[in-house]
Amino acid sequence: GQQLNQSPQSMFIQEGEDVSMNCTSSSIFNTWLWYKQDPGEGPVLLIALYKAGELTSNGRLTAQFGITRKDSFLNISASIPSDVGIYFCASQNYGGSQGNLIFGKGTKLSVKP
Amino acid sequence: DSGVTQTPKHLITATGQRVTLRCSPRSGDLSVYWYQQSLDQGLQFLIQYYNGEERAKGNILERFSAQQFPDLHSELNLSSLELGDSALYFCASSAWDRINTGELFFGEGSRLTVL
Repeated sequence: GQQLNQSPQSMFIQEGEDVSMNCTSSSIFNTWLWYKQDPGEGPVLLIALYKAGELTSNGRLTAQFGITRKDSFLNISASIPSDVGIYFCASQNYGGSQGNLIFGKGTKLSVKP
Repeated sequence: DSGVTQTPKHLITATGQRVTLRCSPRSGDLSVYWYQQSLDQGLQFLIQYYNGEERAKGNILERFSAQQFPDLHSELNLSSLELGDSALYFCASSAWDRINTGELFFGEGSRLTVL
């Protein structure tokens, strides 16, 4: 089946550093989304991308929908302690099973103050 | 607070038992989704309902069933429970005009432990 390969699996960084994570697939998708999950909480949508090549920012977060439609990256600039959590990429295709968001396995981010 | 409410938050039960997880979507959202999150499989889509009708089905086991009621709350029933069913079960909802976008609002989840 379709799979999203997310890397890295985990990151340990110093507060103030920039972070980059990405998601790739062998399949083409129409939508890429990035969610963040804090401990004990459900995932929260950070950024949604709907067009190949689209670059979107949300505060210190920037994400891009790859031109090939098979990948996406998320950057976090000047990390702070509250950035700690698990970041998931997710994707789906229109016309398919409408609820069928496929999720990557996540990137666990730890930030040292 | 996403506005999606799930109960119970934690549930411990034995193999072979049956449990029901409950979800209330955000006010005004017609669509409800159920996801299972386990350590080895990650977040897996189970099933979607829209305004009381099943809309899409994922990797949901035959031992599991769901429904959405006229007041739009949803229940996920898990029966003949096995150790491997231990997981976090999330409910999510989406706005009526954002159904195809992947923009979901997740509840805090129900953690099921099967002993």
